[in-house]
Amino acid sequence: GQQLNQSPQSMFIQEGEDVSMNCTSSSIFNTWLWYKQDPGEGPVLLIALYKAGELTSNGRLTAQFGITRKDSFLNISASIPSDVGIYFCAASANTGNQFYFGTGTSLTVIP
Amino acid sequence: GAGVSQSPSNKVTEKGKDVELRCDPISGHTALYWYRQSLGQGLEFLIYFQGNSAPDKSGLPSDRFSAERTGGSVSTLTIQRTQQEDSAVYLCASSLAYSGSPQFFGPGTRLTVL
Repeated sequence: GQQLNQSPQSMFIQEGEDVSMNCTSSSIFNTWLWYKQDPGEGPVLLIALYKAGELTSNGRLTAQFGITRKDSFLNISASIPSDVGIYFCAASANTGNQFYFGTGTSLTVIP
Repeated sequence: GAGVSQSPSNKVTEKGKDVELRCDPISGHTALYWYRQSLGQGLEFLIYFQGNSAPDKSGLPSDRFSAERTGGSVSTLTIQRTQQEDSAVYLCASSLAYSGSPQFFGPGTRLTVL
């Protein structure tokens, strides 16, 4: 089946540093989503991307829909302790409502 | 309510018992999904409902798992004869009907099978 390869699996960074994570696939997708999950909570939608090459920001977060439609990345600038959590990418080919999810990137921010 | 709600938030049961988990989607969302998330793992798709169409049950791990959606709104996930490997967080999500519509998640139900 279609698979999203998300990396890195985990990150340990100092407060104030920038963070970058990405998802790649061998399949083409038409929608990319990025979620954050805090411990004991459900994933929360951060950014939605609908067009190849699209670059979208949400505060300190910036995500891009890869031009090949097979990848996406998420950047977090000037990280703060509340950025801690697990970040998931998700992608859909828009044939129906099915999304495929990445395996997650666990982010730890050291004050 | 503004978001997806799930109940109970935590459920502890004994091996062999049946459990029912409930999901209330966002009002107006015709698509509803169930996922399972084991500790430290990603999301495992279980089942998907879209309006009055037949549900996509392709992710259900065994015939002990079933789900229904009454009146196109509330959904119940039932696990019969629970096993210890069923212990996980069960997440529900809902979305609008159009393809590629983002899914919005509930807080999940943490199931522990002793």
